[in-house]
Amino acid sequence: AQSVTQLDSHVSVSEGTPVLLRCNYSSSYSPSLFWYVQHPNKGLQLLLKYTSAATLVKGINGFEAEFKKSETSFHLTKPSAHMSDAAEYFCVVSRSNDYKLSFGAGTTVTVRA
Amino acid sequence: DAMVIQNPRYQVTQFGKPVTLSCSQTLNHNVMYWYQQKSSQAPKLLFHYYDKDFNNEADTPDNFQSRRPNTSFCFLDIRSPGLGDAAMYLCATSRGLAGALSYEQYFGPGTRLTVT
Repeated sequence: AQSVTQLDSHVSVSEGTPVLLRCNYSSSYSPSLFWYVQHPNKGLQLLLKYTSAATLVKGINGFEAEFKKSETSFHLTKPSAHMSDAAEYFCVVSRSNDYKLSFGAGTTVTVRA
Repeated sequence: DAMVIQNPRYQVTQFGKPVTLSCSQTLNHNVMYWYQQKSSQAPKLLFHYYDKDFNNEADTPDNFQSRRPNTSFCFLDIRSPGLGDAAMYLCATSRGLAGALSYEQYFGPGTRLTVT
């Protein structure tokens, strides 16, 4: 079985400061890992994905994530938060032989001016 | 731009009155999915089509049905909506079901369903 734990349900940062969203996963197989962002009343947008290539993955809008197998983590970071980053973020895992996505519970990011 | 389109964006229906939500895609992907997302929760997979093959999740209520008349379109039918069916419904597509390049799912903007 596979599962995803997002360690923070809510993160609040000041504009211009770093953002860290933490995600731990468990998977019996080599996983593919994703971060999606969802703005209010919108669909999910893919920020970045890990599929067993480079462990440091760069995504859109300045986000990046590092896959650490020894820690079973896939934390999302951004060096400088922007007001437009306020949204819900989902860490998602998929097994190599299964189409199903396992979603974390989500982390709500608020950005203070 | 290639994309996933959902219509309408907002739908209001009455308790027990059938409703249909629409999804179309220009990505020419083989797989189309329907998710239900309730407030402050992660999306929950209802079912998916791989080409014309329909696959229902075990815990999807019988009240939810789907049709895929062609590659581009997929519909979600709720036969007798209850108050508990009020949610955001997300359509997604992917190239395939297996292999690293197939996992990425592209989501539409969603349809927010209100049941009165």
